[in-house]
Amino acid sequence: ETGVTQTPRHLVMGMTNKKSLKCEQHLGHNAMYWYKQSAKKPLELMFVYNFKEQTENNSVPSRFSPECPNSSHLFLHLHTLQPEDSALYLCASSQKLALSSYEQYFGPGTRLTVT
Amino acid sequence: AQSVTQLDSHVSVSEGTPVLLRCNYSSSYSPSLFWYVQHPNKGLQLLLKYTSAATLVKGINGFEAEFKKSETSFHLTKPSAHMSDSAEYFCVVRSSNFGNEKLTFGTGTRLTIIP
Repeated sequence: ETGVTQTPRHLVMGMTNKKSLKCEQHLGHNAMYWYKQSAKKPLELMFVYNFKEQTENNSVPSRFSPECPNSSHLFLHLHTLQPEDSALYLCASSQKLALSSYEQYFGPGTRLTVT
Repeated sequence: AQSVTQLDSHVSVSEGTPVLLRCNYSSSYSPSLFWYVQHPNKGLQLLLKYTSAATLVKGINGFEAEFKKSETSFHLTKPSAHMSDSAEYFCVVRSSNFGNEKLTFGTGTRLTIIP
């Protein structure tokens, strides 16, 4: 719908499982982002990738591990998560310039439930 | 410091009546401002943006917003609500200081349109 796709849309995992979230953007953008959206809290920026290089990590626990193999794909690898990690995980992309960037386009999100 | 305050967590209006969603911001630099909408189980969709051009910004689906620097506000309005406008709305401020960008999301306003 917006040029940014995410899979899976829903994921239920136990605390000892390992899973990965996938994001793909078809907009030709050079920057990609992972956000966490929890109920009654502002959207939290987790990671930023610019031209495949991680440029921002907002003190995210190491049980979340991002990977950006190219400008179109972004993964979030999950390992030994906690129940409080249950949330909607949103991927976004934008065209980033030297001193600014254009608006971000969001995917539909992955609803993650940790049991 | 940069912040966004959405003054109402919930707004309910009758179909066909005007909509007003309030947003106040603070930013040390000349900001860009955005409104996004999120329908249930969907990602965020850009409604409109202000990036230092005209202070009255028109967006999609009949929404518009006015940037008022003196009041540090960027309220979202629509003359006549439709049932399909029921969703969560997020005000976002972005500042850029020599290429260091900071994006701050509001906590959201849930808009309910009453038949």
